[in-house]
Amino acid sequence: SQELEQSPQSLIVQEGKNLTINCTSSKTLYGLYWYKQKYGEGLIFLMMLQKGGEEKSHEKITAKLDEKKQQSSLHITASQPSHAGIYLCGADNTNAGKSTFGDGTTLTVKP
Amino acid sequence: GAVVSQHPSRVICKSGTSVKIECRSLDFQATTMFWYRQFPKKSLMLMATSNEGSKATYEQGVEKDKFLINHASLTLSTLTVTSAHPEDSSFYICSARSTRAYEQYFGPGTRLTVT
Repeated sequence: SQELEQSPQSLIVQEGKNLTINCTSSKTLYGLYWYKQKYGEGLIFLMMLQKGGEEKSHEKITAKLDEKKQQSSLHITASQPSHAGIYLCGADNTNAGKSTFGDGTTLTVKP
Repeated sequence: GAVVSQHPSRVICKSGTSVKIECRSLDFQATTMFWYRQFPKKSLMLMATSNEGSKATYEQGVEKDKFLINHASLTLSTLTVTSAHPEDSSFYICSARSTRAYEQYFGPGTRLTVT
C-alpha cells in the first residue's frame, strides 16, 4: 500500500517568515492533495496536483509536485497567524478512489 | 465549492448504546462516500468505503458489525457505532466524491465520546 511521509511533524515560525512542508510517497503519485485542518474540525481542500512538475498557487500558498511524482512540497510565503493549523497531504490509490494521508504537519505562527 | 455536512457535530453516549452519524452531500450527488477515524494528533484512518445502493467495503481490521454503514441515497450515508465502548471515542470524518468531479470533499467531523 502507498505510504505518505510528511516533514516536519511540527513547525513553529514567526509571523512573516516563509516555510515549506514536504510530503514524500513510497510510490508514484497519481493525484496529490493538500488539505488544511484545524484541530477538531473537518478538512479544507487547498489544491490538487496531478502532473509531474505541476505547480499551483492559492493566495500565499504554493504547492509543487516533483518531476518524478513521488514528492510534493507546500510553501507558505510571509506566514500569518491565520495559516496556523494542521496540513495534511493525501494521495489517491490507483484503484477504488481511496485516499491515503500523511500524518500531518502542525504549523504554529507566532505573532 | 461543494459542501458536505455531518450530524451531529458532537455526541456523548453511554457505554453499550448505539450512535448514528449522518453524512450528507448538500449540493452534489455522491456515489461514493468514505468514513475516516482520526485519533488525536494523528492522520485520518480510512474505515470504509460507502457505495450507494450496495454494501460498504471495510478496511482491514475494521469490524463491519460494529460500524454499520448505510448509503441509502446519492446524498446520504450513515455510520452507526453499535454497542459503543470508551475506546470508540474518536473524531469521525466522512468525505464524498462527486460523480463528476475528481476532488474529495470532507465533512466537518463528529466528535464521539463514550462514557
